[in-house]
Amino acid sequence: EVQLVESGGGLVQPGGSLRLSCRGSGFNFRNYAIAWVRQTPGKGLEWVSSIGAVGGGTHYADSVRGRFTVSRDNSRNTVYLQMSRLGVDDSAVYFCAKDRVGVAVADTLDSWGQGTLVSVSS
Amino acid sequence: DIQMTQSPSSLSASVGDRVVITCRASQGISLYLNWYQQKQGRAPTLLIYSSSTLLSGVPSRFSGSGSGTEFTLTISGLQPEDFATYYCQQSYTRPFGFGPGTKVDIK
Repeated sequence: EVQLVESGGGLVQPGGSLRLSCRGSGFNFRNYAIAWVRQTPGKGLEWVSSIGAVGGGTHYADSVRGRFTVSRDNSRNTVYLQMSRLGVDDSAVYFCAKDRVGVAVADTLDSWGQGTLVSVSS
Repeated sequence: DIQMTQSPSSLSASVGDRVVITCRASQGISLYLNWYQQKQGRAPTLLIYSSSTLLSGVPSRFSGSGSGTEFTLTISGLQPEDFATYYCQQSYTRPFGFGPGTKVDIK
């Protein structure tokens, strides 16, 4: 069974940093691109970032480019999202999700984790 | 960025009803359109990709159609487990934006 499990969410002050982790199991992790998608009641679902399988090509939404960094450690079946200079608008549930077939970029997401809550507040 | 819109934003329906949800893209996206279902407190799940291809295991009462800028998700014979929020998403170009969602609840 394909599983993705996020961790690392929590409460952080504005301007602070946080690193999210996404561990996959039940599939050949190194062969799939992985995305981060966040959700808020106000803004709905937002595709945030993606990392490819081969060579780990990375892509970001404009709203996080320069502040967030996605990386992966295939030996640990884990993708990371390093978030810095966090603002209140970054408060959301963050999901990781695997692409259905894609190696280069995660755009069609067929398996999702349960999500981890990030709250940015003073 | 490509903007995705959905209509209606919510609807009330009964078990057995036929439900149609429309998704529009601000520019042509060919067939690069996905549909997701999200139940309260859960992650989204992929139902349909490439506008009309059902993911394995998705009931055949779900169907998708459309190309270019206008797409529809149809549920033929709504079941109790179908009450949820449905989102479209374009996979044509980054950023792969989602529509605002259509909540389907019980009449």
